Amino acid sequence: GENVEQHPSTLSVQEGDSAVIKCTYSDSASNYFPWYKQELGKGPQLIIDIRSNVGEKKDQRIAVTLNKTAKHFSLHITETQPEDSAVYFCAATRGTSYGKLTFGQGTILTVHP
Amino acid sequence: KAGVTQTPRYLIKTRGQQVTLSCSPISGHRSVSWYQQTPGQGLQFLFEYFSETQRNKGNFPGRFSGRQFSNSRSEMNVSTLELGDSALYLCASSLDANKGPFLDISCGYTFGSGTRLTVV
Repeated sequence: GENVEQHPSTLSVQEGDSAVIKCTYSDSASNYFPWYKQELGKGPQLIIDIRSNVGEKKDQRIAVTLNKTAKHFSLHITETQPEDSAVYFCAATRGTSYGKLTFGQGTILTVHP
Repeated sequence: KAGVTQTPRYLIKTRGQQVTLSCSPISGHRSVSWYQQTPGQGLQFLFEYFSETQRNKGNFPGRFSGRQFSNSRSEMNVSTLELGDSALYLCASSLDANKGPFLDISCGYTFGSGTRLTVV
């Protein structure tokens, strides 16, 4: 089955800096890669996603890149703010997986004012 | 529009008991998936339901079961609770988890806030 590795496990940055979180996946048939942000006491919230027919996607300060050959994808957050502090999860799935997302282990991002 | 609603938010149960958790998906969403989140194992897929049918199942023992009703609301049940079942149980809904080779453009999975289950 699919296996997703996420790095780093913790990331500490100063406000205004950029943050990058990387994930690798094992199943070459995976074609949908969402990123979730989870704040304390809440469920994961979808912040951006990318499909395998696209190499890069951007939404304001957040961008995701996908390298299908290397089977890795990354989340880039620019101009970080204290409210970006949370746990971030990457995930991967294929269209025939019927609801099954395989998640990375998560990255605790701390943005210091 | 209302999000995914999970009830109850918190539960404390004793070993050996059974528990039922409820999930109401976003209106119009027909697929409901369940996940277990623990500090050690992270987010793990339990099962997915669509039109009252289980379409996919993760690697959990038979003590974990679920069902979906005609209005797409879903319940999961854990019987003979063990200490290791203590976790945050999350459900996620989507319009449909499968639309051919590429997931439907509006297919993002929306999670609820979860039910925190503590087994003592």
